[in-house]
Amino acid sequence: DAGVIQSPRHEVTEMGQEVTLRCKPISGHDYLFWYRQTMMRGLELLIYFNNNVPIDDSGMPEDRFSAKMPNASFSTLKIQPSEPRDSAVYFCASRPPSAAGELFFGEGSRLTVL
Amino acid sequence: SQQGEEDPQALSIQEGENATMNCSYKTSINNLQWYRQNSGRGLVHLILIRSNEREKHSGRLRVTLDTSKKSSSLLITASRAADTASYFCATDNTDKLIFGTGTRLQVFP
Repeated sequence: DAGVIQSPRHEVTEMGQEVTLRCKPISGHDYLFWYRQTMMRGLELLIYFNNNVPIDDSGMPEDRFSAKMPNASFSTLKIQPSEPRDSAVYFCASRPPSAAGELFFGEGSRLTVL
Repeated sequence: SQQGEEDPQALSIQEGENATMNCSYKTSINNLQWYRQNSGRGLVHLILIRSNEREKHSGRLRVTLDTSKKSSSLLITASRAADTASYFCATDNTDKLIFGTGTRLQVFP
C-alpha cells in the first residue's frame, strides 16, 4: 500500500486566497484525522471522520476552515480566506477499523501564507 | 488542546547511551501511544500500551504506564545516531488521539 497520500506537499499563497489541501487515506481505513502542527501550538487535532461522517470538529479554529470527506478514499481541508497565522504543516492520518489503534500519517502539507 | 506534556523538551546524548522521555496527561485513557517524527516528515507509530498494562517492550523500546500518576515513559536503549528525531506521546480515550508537546532527541555519533 502507498500509505496516506497528501497534496500538495508545499503551498505558498497570499493572504486572502483560498487553500485546498487533499488527502487519500489508506484503503480499508475508516477513520480519518486532520492535524495542524506549529512550533507554538504543537500538534492540534482539527477534525476527524468515521465512515466519511465528521465526528468531532471542535478543533477547527474558525469558520474559515472547512473539511469534507465525500467518499472513503478522499478528504479535503479548505481555508477560505487564508491568513498568515494559518501557516503550518497540516497532516492527514488514517486508522483501520478497531476500537483503538495506531494512526498512519501522511507526509504533511506545508502551508505558507504571505 | 494538548493532553500530554513531555519532559524533557530536548535531550542530547551520545550513541550507545539510553534515552528516557516522560509524558504526563490529564484525563482517563484507553491507551497511550508513542510516535516518532523525523525532521520534515510525518509521524510514525512506535508502540501502544493499553490502560490495563504497566510495561511493554518492542526491540530497543520500553514503555511504562502509571495510570495512578497519569504518566508514561519511553526508554530507548543503546541509542543510535539514526534515533535522532522528535518523540511524541498521544492519549486515546474517545477514538481521537491527542498529542503531547514532544521531546527532541539528538544522538551524537
